[in-house]
Amino acid sequence: NAGVMQNPRHLVRRRGQEARLRCSPMKGHSHVYWYRQLPEEGLKFMVYLQKENIIDESGMPKERFSAEFPKEGPSILRIQQVVRGDSAAYFCASSPEDGAYEQYFGPGTRLTVT
Amino acid sequence: GENVEQHPSTLSVQEGDSAVIKCTYSDSASNYFPWYKQELGKRPQLIIDIRSNVGEKKDQRIAVTLNKTAKHFSLHITETQPEDSAVYFCACYTGGFKTIFGAGTRLFVKA
Repeated sequence: NAGVMQNPRHLVRRRGQEARLRCSPMKGHSHVYWYRQLPEEGLKFMVYLQKENIIDESGMPKERFSAEFPKEGPSILRIQQVVRGDSAAYFCASSPEDGAYEQYFGPGTRLTVT
Repeated sequence: GENVEQHPSTLSVQEGDSAVIKCTYSDSASNYFPWYKQELGKRPQLIIDIRSNVGEKKDQRIAVTLNKTAKHFSLHITETQPEDSAVYFCACYTGGFKTIFGAGTRLFVKA
């Protein structure tokens, strides 16, 4: 049973470009969470999604950031017109359909904006 | 808004000693409290959790205690080993689908 998958693991973008981060939840999980972690800091909640629905996006910056979790395929976190302050590790986590609280994290995508 | 405070930010212990990390939370509706261990450059891993209807839970050398009245919970690691060195995060599930994390405690276990 594969764990949560994220790709790419490392992503380098120039200022102004777009970044697309992908997350495939564990098999049987339909709840996906995205977190951002700045160097030497904790995890900040960004968004919680179920299939085809955004449930809570209260942690997402209002501009340039968007997330989706389509019926088929991985969840996507999209950052448009990246700036240096977007450089961070982005983790996704998934939890089972039955709404269990436990979240299992992917390996993260480390975004560097140059 | 919801807030989780975690102390200390850094903790250094001698191998074999105990380590205690404490967290306080603000939302009295919180009902699930996980602890995660994160090694350098790796993903956070769930090591133990506790629900609000339980006061204490133990798993080998790791235990967590919860005081709902005071709104704080603690992680206890006994007989620490060098491989316990990592950053530990407490978290609080607010019931509104959002998990709030503490700022982390960097634990150093000296051999």
